[in-house]
Amino acid sequence: DIQMTQSPSTLSASVGDRVTITCRASQSISSWLAWYQQKPGKAPNLLIYKASSLDSGVPSRFSGSGSGTEFTLTISSLQPDDFATYYCQQYDSYSYTFGQGTKLEIK
Amino acid sequence: EVQLLESGGGLVQPGGSLRLSCAASGFTFSTSVMTWVRQAPGKGLEWLSLISGTGGATKYADSVKGRYTISRDNSKNTLYLEMNSLRAEDTAVYYCVKGGGQLSHWYFGLWGRGTLVTVSS
Repeated sequence: DIQMTQSPSTLSASVGDRVTITCRASQSISSWLAWYQQKPGKAPNLLIYKASSLDSGVPSRFSGSGSGTEFTLTISSLQPDDFATYYCQQYDSYSYTFGQGTKLEIK
Repeated sequence: EVQLLESGGGLVQPGGSLRLSCAASGFTFSTSVMTWVRQAPGKGLEWLSLISGTGGATKYADSVKGRYTISRDNSKNTLYLEMNSLRAEDTAVYYCVKGGGQLSHWYFGLWGRGTLVTVSS
């Protein structure tokens, strides 16, 4: 199976900050990568697919980049609603796998 | 409104069985790839199974292969997950998810609220 590793595991930041979360795949997955946001007690919500395509209704402060094995999710200016856990997911092959998650906390 | 609503979760003893259902509305269910994803308490996300729109093709994670069966009834717009030989480590919130993408490349575009399955004696 393809392993997905996110860093950092926890990130402390303030409203207005620019933050970046990294996701690394154990082998090349082209651009078959998605990002999700999850708030406590809620289902995950799709933010980005195919590494850089913003899902409908997702604010433009979210952006994704990368290909192959290295990917990033960037939030350009943190808003109070953005404090949550973020997961990357590869969908290059069946046996889809997620990263372990990055918890974005208020500093 | 586009919606997925899971049901059927609950408390089951180790070795027992449970069937989850997911009622879909607001989109063309019969042409949609559907999946199940679970999340153990305080843990990350784990993809479990996928089924094609017709139901003719299914895929499973190794962790549930041979124990879980995914199926669908397009006349009822409903997805199912039959779970057998349940173990304590199967305790999780189970999400029904609509796939987005193409061919074998499916991301998870629309999530239900989830249903909690607890395996304990």
